[in-house]
Amino acid sequence: GAVVSQHPSWVICKSGTSVKIECRSLDFQATTMFWYRQFPKQSLMLMATSNEGSKATYEQGVEKDKFLINHASLTLSTLTVTSAHPEDSSFYICSASLGGAGNSPLHFGNGTRLTVT
Amino acid sequence: QKEVEQNSGPLSVPEGAIASLNCTYSDRGSQSFFWYRQYSGKSPELIMSIYSNGDKEDGRFTAQLNKASQYVSLLIRDSQPSDSATYLCAVNKEGKLIFGQGTELSVKP
Repeated sequence: GAVVSQHPSWVICKSGTSVKIECRSLDFQATTMFWYRQFPKQSLMLMATSNEGSKATYEQGVEKDKFLINHASLTLSTLTVTSAHPEDSSFYICSASLGGAGNSPLHFGNGTRLTVT
Repeated sequence: QKEVEQNSGPLSVPEGAIASLNCTYSDRGSQSFFWYRQYSGKSPELIMSIYSNGDKEDGRFTAQLNKASQYVSLLIRDSQPSDSATYLCAVNKEGKLIFGQGTELSVKP
């Protein structure tokens, strides 16, 4: 159980374009999903908490108008990187837990490697 | 002070030895602690969770928690080359998982 699927696994886009990343919980319903970003040789940094049916909660320093999050159903959250720039190139990973936002461990998708040229 | 701190390593151990990974955290109110393993280019995978003071064993892995010292550790017995990866300590803070920078482990055959 607790399978999280993320798509695409990698994407290359031109500067100024937008990219959408999908995150699905395959065998459970996730009212809350979490989006992380990881630069090379660095740890995972929480970007935002995605809440089904309501607005996402962004961490300090993360631009909500640049990183659009939509959590329209209990099994799908999307992250759209708008007007991407080379500095947005990173490894984006979504996650969810069976127990929601609490003491349960997070299960991660396979990640999306974004390269902006 | 970082919320979750780990030695970045690399930590190098010979095959068959015990690898010891350490982590400290700043929030005394944290109640849940996790160890993840991350291979290069891959997403993290859960190894162990621990919620109470003391030791928790699962196969070759033992997690240790000392809330008074705000310290979590992971021991890997009989280390194998396949254990070579980055090990991430994560602490639940207010419903969100905060990660340390990870310790790179290299197990030499």
